[in-house]
Amino acid sequence: SQQGEEDPQALSIQEGENATMNCSYKTSINNLQWYRQNSGRGLVHLILIRSNEREKHSGRLRVTLDTSKKSSSLLITASRAADTASYFCATGTSGTYKYIFGTGTRLKVLA
Amino acid sequence: GAGVSQSPSNKVTEKGKDVELRCDPISGHTALYWYRQSLGQGLEFLIYFQGNSAPDKSGLPSDRFSAERTGGSVSTLTIQRTQQEDSAVYLCASSQGQGAPQHFGDGTRLSIL
Repeated sequence: SQQGEEDPQALSIQEGENATMNCSYKTSINNLQWYRQNSGRGLVHLILIRSNEREKHSGRLRVTLDTSKKSSSLLITASRAADTASYFCATGTSGTYKYIFGTGTRLKVLA
Repeated sequence: GAGVSQSPSNKVTEKGKDVELRCDPISGHTALYWYRQSLGQGLEFLIYFQGNSAPDKSGLPSDRFSAERTGGSVSTLTIQRTQQEDSAVYLCASSQGQGAPQHFGDGTRLSIL
């Protein structure tokens, strides 16, 4: 199965609310990245967190990483309609080039 | 160009035909990736290039798939004798190296009739 699996598969919230997405993975990683994909477009890199980091912020984004639980979460605060997209986590392992992408969370922010 | 460019953006072809998909990475990016994304699904890794060499081709679904990269820049993904199950969006990404954020093109939407 996929190395990264996001939860929930779909999420619908009101504008202004916070959105939390989770990613679980199976093997040891070197880093974990989150990407956003708008419909019909390619993926856009949001944030990278390394295995020795626990939390990282970028604007309205907050990412946490718990290597003991092999999980990560992405929090989007004060969501906007423009945040409507699919969000994917991607895990990279040390010494390899291959990134494994999860199945994604489809976020819908209602205005 | 400023970003990763893929062509064509859409391709419709008959089963059994060969197709060639092109990717122009960001200038100076040594790493190049090809992925396949089926409708509503995640990304399936196909192949990775570091410069012109592909250290691992095991992600390619079958021997009908091949890819090359020349001059450390443009890459082409070729699918021979296309089948209906090849229908998907093929995404290309480039990065400055292992572990660096990947920059994606908008993909080629391939439809096999």
